[in-house]
Amino acid sequence: GEDVEQSLFLSVREGDSSVINCTYTDSSSTYLYWYKQEPGAGLQLLTYIFSNMDMKQDQRLTVLLNKKDKHLSLRIADTQTGDSAIYFCAESKGGGKLIFGQGTELSVKP
Amino acid sequence: NAGVTQTPKFRVLKTGQSMTLLCAQDMNHEYMYWYRQDPGMGLRLIHYSVGEGTTAKGEVPDGYNVSRLKKQNFLLGLESAAPSQTSVYFCASSSMSGAYEQYFGPGTRLTVT
Repeated sequence: GEDVEQSLFLSVREGDSSVINCTYTDSSSTYLYWYKQEPGAGLQLLTYIFSNMDMKQDQRLTVLLNKKDKHLSLRIADTQTGDSAIYFCAESKGGGKLIFGQGTELSVKP
Repeated sequence: NAGVTQTPKFRVLKTGQSMTLLCAQDMNHEYMYWYRQDPGMGLRLIHYSVGEGTTAKGEVPDGYNVSRLKKQNFLLGLESAAPSQTSVYFCASSSMSGAYEQYFGPGTRLTVT
């Protein structure tokens, strides 16, 4: 199938690290992405990783890619209440088309 | 730059009515996309376009039509709305090279009664 799977909810305390996981299906996907959606808004691209990379770091964000297991994760260091949102992973299907996961709702408690 | 804009922001339709959603982008992107977002299902691609005058079907195209008469605009039409089309609709655009990073509009919330 073409399902991209994510757990639906994650709750953390402010200042802790958050890790959001995703499994994808297409081993030929060239890029994998993480998007953030705040309430009532569109999706905002956070970061992406090229398929020949294992890790990408961008300030508080770390993306890990395990191609063998088709597993992608997003780690947010020092999570803040402003990080509360829905996070979507997506895999590329060629020609710009993306397949999205269901989204993980991150709740950050003070 | 406004980025990607969508009109209208909200709309309520009765079953069988028609409407058109407008998406505009000012980033000179070649590619444009229409998605629908339903609870617990992420985003699903309805139709997309790889350039002016071209359109193609996505995952869930039935009941929708699109047109790309100008590079900066991508229209999504519902000819005969059904309650199953109640959803939030997002438009996005991307360049045609590199990582195809997609930029999204703010969405249109459509309710069909």
